[in-house]
Amino acid sequence: KAGVTQTPRYLIKTRGQQVTLSCSPISGHRSVSWYQQTPGQGLQFLFEYFSETQRNKGNFPGRFSGRQFSNSRSEMNVSTLELGDSALYLCASSPDLALDNEQFFGPGTRLTVL
Amino acid sequence: AQTVTQSQPEMSVQEAETVTLSCTYDTSENNYYLFWYKQPPSRQMILVIRQEAYKQQNATENRFSVNFQKAAKSFSLKISDSQLGDTAMYFCAFMKYGQNFVFGPGTRLSVLP
Repeated sequence: KAGVTQTPRYLIKTRGQQVTLSCSPISGHRSVSWYQQTPGQGLQFLFEYFSETQRNKGNFPGRFSGRQFSNSRSEMNVSTLELGDSALYLCASSPDLALDNEQFFGPGTRLTVL
Repeated sequence: AQTVTQSQPEMSVQEAETVTLSCTYDTSENNYYLFWYKQPPSRQMILVIRQEAYKQQNATENRFSVNFQKAAKSFSLKISDSQLGDTAMYFCAFMKYGQNFVFGPGTRLSVLP
């Protein structure tokens, strides 16, 4: 089985722009979670999607949004980028996070905001 | 809200020796899961070991074992016969059933030849 894939792997944007990151979960997995990883804050939960519905949400501003498609692929969007949004964004998939609790992580997208 | 603490930002160990990474957590829940994840340099995060809170027996996976002390809310990871490939960031994580993961700040482990 192919693992979790994330595209693009690296991204450079400037302040004020918006960005869309993509995540393809492991085949058959219906839950996709997104995390922001920074040296100062560690791994912080952004949101979780299951069957195209946002099921859990972390404590991030509304500039951070996401969605999930019928094939379980997920995208997250960050609008009006700020310097502090520079981070590694990790996606993780699970068959159903609420029932089967192991998450499988992708390689991440490293976003740099200049 | 649940919090996870890893009090050792960095640790090092000689190859073939044993090292223990500490993790404590704060929760009022009774049913939950605990995890250790490993993130090698520039590589994907992978699950090392997990423990269900209702199980008293400590989980083991080959050279990796945990010491789960529920009353003390402690969940340490022991790595035996350390190998160079064990060099990584190690994250302790907590999950209440049906909710998201909460990760600790991580411990950077270096295995020295």
